[in-house]
Amino acid sequence: EAGVAQSPRYKIIEKRQSVAFWCNPISGHATLYWYQQILGQGPKLLIQFQNNGVVDDSQLPKDRFSAERLKGVDSTLKIQPAKLEDSAVYLCASSFTPPANEQFFGPGTRLTVL
Amino acid sequence: AQSVAQPEDQVNVAEGNPLTVKCTYSVSGNPYLFWYVQYPNRGLQFLLKYITGDNLVKGSYGFEAEFNKSQTSFHLKKPSALVSDSALYFCAVRDMEGSARQLTFGSGTQLTVLP
Repeated sequence: EAGVAQSPRYKIIEKRQSVAFWCNPISGHATLYWYQQILGQGPKLLIQFQNNGVVDDSQLPKDRFSAERLKGVDSTLKIQPAKLEDSAVYLCASSFTPPANEQFFGPGTRLTVL
Repeated sequence: AQSVAQPEDQVNVAEGNPLTVKCTYSVSGNPYLFWYVQYPNRGLQFLLKYITGDNLVKGSYGFEAEFNKSQTSFHLKKPSALVSDSALYFCAVRDMEGSARQLTFGSGTQLTVLP
């Protein structure tokens, strides 16, 4: 079974530039998550989708971050404009419908904002 | 609000010795509890979970965890550590009945198994 795919794996940008990350979840998983993991911390949920609808985006900085999952499969997370404090690893995960089901994580995208 | 604490940033253990990685949680109702492991430059991998039932949960790679409701703990254990177990371990919690829909992660514990 293929895992969660993410691209790119690494990205370096200047502050105020924009960047986009892509995620393709495990086939059959209706729930998709985007997390931000800052060095030395645990992952923090940015947004959770159930199919193509948003379930939870309470911690998403909506003035600069956006995400979509138009066809209920793959998803894109965008940052515009980026700030220095956005430097982190962005993890995508998927699962069968929560709350008891475990999440499967992709390898992440390491973003460096200079 | 739900929260999880991993009181040790770093745990060192000799190969072949038992290991314990500690986790305590706080929820308003009953918890779903999870352990994940993260190797360098990799995403998180699921190890085990407690949903309901037997307090001792067995998971991947010989790991197990014991749910203790009175102490609100869910410590990760392994009888005999391997050098390959060296990694970053995260505990996570979700409240069964609370309004929070998300999984809350601890800050992680770096496990180093010394040969």
